[in-house]
Amino acid sequence: DTAVSQTPKYLVTQMGNDKSIKCEQNLGHDTMYWYKQDSKKFLKIMFSYNNKELIINETVPNRFSPKSPDKAHLNLHINSLELGDSAVYFCASSQGLGRGLMNTEAFFGQGTRLTVV
Amino acid sequence: GQQVMQIPQYQHVQEGEDFTTYCNSSTTLSNIQWYKQRPGGHPVFLIQLVKSGEVKKQKRLTFQFGEAKKNSSLHITATQTTDVGTYFCAENSGGSNYKLTFGKGTLLTVNP
Repeated sequence: DTAVSQTPKYLVTQMGNDKSIKCEQNLGHDTMYWYKQDSKKFLKIMFSYNNKELIINETVPNRFSPKSPDKAHLNLHINSLELGDSAVYFCASSQGLGRGLMNTEAFFGQGTRLTVV
Repeated sequence: GQQVMQIPQYQHVQEGEDFTTYCNSSTTLSNIQWYKQRPGGHPVFLIQLVKSGEVKKQKRLTFQFGEAKKNSSLHITATQTTDVGTYFCAENSGGSNYKLTFGKGTLLTVNP
């Protein structure tokens, strides 16, 4: 069983479209994240959620709207896609992050390669 | 927020040579994690260091956390082609920040 699964794996779409990426984790973790990895491989955090609540919004344009229906799911909806949104988007989860020394490893999904044309 | 600076950005070695990547912070870190991302893959956790001066080994990989907890290194002895990938250090702002911040990574390529 895949611990963190995200779909789709590839997404090619035109500018101006709206698209969603889904993420689910079966690890029982209470913290989930979205990261954006650009062409230079820089992993930049976008959002983090803890128990369905938004904790971190790292100055992401409001065209990006995360939604967490329950703590096992964190979906990402993107409105009015732009060329600069092309990147690989990773979902991740961890347990205990934010509780000082009880931090644990983050598990990443396989990534969604978004190409905006 | 805290940031970790990672160097070098790229490293190309001949198979059998050693490799080291470094992470530095201007502030004291509560802990540091290391991840490996194979080409086309996703980041995979390698290890977490918590204690000042801590050294951990995983086969040919040696991880160190500085005495002042402001720097860390990953050293690979006798690289193999399977070591190819990008190595990231990551730190989290403890307490209630729920934020894991990655260094920019070091891309290791190995010539067979």
